[in-house]
Amino acid sequence: SQQGEEDPQALSIQEGENATMNCSYKTSINNLQWYRQNSGRGLVHLILIRSNEREKHSGRLRVTLDTSKKSSSLLITASRAADTASYFCATKRGAQKLVFGQGTRLTINP
Amino acid sequence: EPEVTQTPSHQVTQMGQEVILRCVPISNHLYFYWYRQILGQKVEFLVSFYNNEISEKSEIFDDQFSVERPDGSNFTLKIRSTKLEDSAMYFCASSESGGGGLPRSSYEQYFGPGTRLTVT
Repeated sequence: SQQGEEDPQALSIQEGENATMNCSYKTSINNLQWYRQNSGRGLVHLILIRSNEREKHSGRLRVTLDTSKKSSSLLITASRAADTASYFCATKRGAQKLVFGQGTRLTINP
Repeated sequence: EPEVTQTPSHQVTQMGQEVILRCVPISNHLYFYWYRQILGQKVEFLVSFYNNEISEKSEIFDDQFSVERPDGSNFTLKIRSTKLEDSAMYFCASSESGGGGLPRSSYEQYFGPGTRLTVT
């Protein structure tokens, strides 16, 4: 079954630096989405990239998708303390359900 | 901006009791979902619901679980006889579409803030 797996599991960087998180999955997909979750809170949709797209930008976010390697990356540029959260990739294949990875816990140090 | 809401934010119940978790999806959305997240683990799909019936469910969604759209706005998840292992954060989500040939934005699932269920 398809499964999103993020790495690293935890990432700690200084404010202003760029943060890169990776996601791998196992089967073909329709699209891949990235979500943010602040501690104990709900999931906030960040960006969606379709299987026929290679790169997407949204503000300080840049997502890439390599379907040949079944992987995606999320880059957050010029990080801020408010970016501290867990980040999840979620894949969608045909049916409606999203399959989430374990997530990357990102900590931005002031 | 419209958002998905969930009540209660925290529910404590005793093992064996029935609980109903409530959600109000975004008003023009047609697809509704429940996910759960056990503490420290990944978010897991439970069920999707469209046109007043379940369209997909996971292995987790056994006979103890049921969903209902009792009126035009609410979407509920019922757990008939709660177990300790049902303790988790339960998220409701909704989307305009399930997918397939529609504009990108309609694929997005919008999540509520979650209900933390604690079974003692």
